[in-house]
Parts: sequence; C-alpha cells; structure tokens
Amino acid sequence: QVQLVQSGAEVKRPGASVKVSCKASGYTFASYSITWVRQAPGQGLDWMGWISAYNGQTNYAQKLQGRVTMTTDTSTSTAYMELRSLRSDDTAVYYCARGRNEGDYWGQGTLVTVSS
Amino acid sequence: DIQMTQSPSSLSASVRDRVTITCRASQSISTYLNWYQQKPGKAPKLLIFAASSLQSGVPSRFSGSGSGTDFTLTISSLQPEDFATYYCQQTFTTPITFGQGTRLEIK
Repeated sequence: QVQLVQSGAEVKRPGASVKVSCKASGYTFASYSITWVRQAPGQGLDWMGWISAYNGQTNYAQKLQGRVTMTTDTSTSTAYMELRSLRSDDTAVYYCARGRNEGDYWGQGTLVTVSS
Repeated sequence: DIQMTQSPSSLSASVRDRVTITCRASQSISTYLNWYQQKPGKAPKLLIFAASSLQSGVPSRFSGSGSGTDFTLTISSLQPEDFATYYCQQTFTTPITFGQGTRLEIK
C-alpha cells in the first residue's frame, strides 16, 4: 500500500532552517512528483511547490522563492523540503503529497514551530 | 494568482441531509478542480479530481460538477463521518491555490 511517512516535529528559532523528510513506499518513487503543502494553525491549505522525483525539476511558490529547496533521494525514495530564514509565520504543519496536481496520498504532517 | 472562493464558509446540517458546497474561481480553470476533505489533526483526503471524477474508495454519495469558473461538491445523504472541512483546489496554473474551506458541522 502507498505510504508517505514524514519526519517528526521541529522547534526552531527565527532565522534558522528546517529540513522535513517524506519517505515513500508502496509505489515506484520516480513515477510521481511530490508536492508540499503547509497549514498554519487554524488556517487553510497553502501550496508550497512540487518536485519531480523523475528528474528533479521543481516549481516553487513565488512567495517562497529563495527560501525553499525541495530535493529527492531516489536511492531511499525520500523527498525533502528545506525552508531557510524561518519566521514566526512559518509556524505550520507541513505536508507532502504524491502527485503534481491532485494529491492522492498524503503524509501525516510535520509540525514546525518557529519561536524565540 | 487565481483566487478560489468557497461558499458557505460554514454550514450546519443533519445526518441524511443533502448538502452542496460551491467553489468559484477568479478566472476560467476548465475542469482543473479538485475537492478534499480534512478532519481535525489529519491530512487532507482527495475526494474528487478533475471536477467530477470520484477518487477510488470514496463513497458514491460524494459528487462534483462544474467547469470554467463555477463548481459544486454535493453530498447526497450526509453520514456522521462526513462532518469535516472541505477545500477546493485549482490546478490549472501555478501557483496552485485552495479555497478558504467550508466547515460542515452537525446541526
């Protein structure tokens, strides 16, 4: 069965970086892109971008350009999302999802808290 | 960016009610529209893709329709497990954007 398992919760200081992992299983990793979506506490869903697990092509949300990097490791079927220069408004649950458009499988979410 | 506006923002209904949620795009998106259900503390779950295609494993009481700028999600007979927040999402162009959500509560 398809599963996406994300890394655990993180607490970071403002200005720091965070790297969240998303380990895929149950399908051919390189056949699908991975999308990242975040959700601030009590708020809606916010698209961050996607990465092709086939060739590493990326498409980032303009508002995150320069702060976000998405990568994949096909040897371990794992996707990563790194966000730098963290601010308090980056506090959110970060989700990975399979697919570039409709996300048919999602990870369980990773809470990233940015606080001094 | 394409703005997605859902209505209503919240809705109270009873088990076995028929419920419709509307999503309007700020420009035409053809049928590049998905619907998700999210329960508290859980990841979103894909219900409908391409405006009207039912995702595998999703009960047939869920249906979607529309094209262009106006879309609807209908639940034909509400069940207790359907009380959740619903989001529409456009994938016509990046940045991909979501509606603000519709919270469906028990009356």
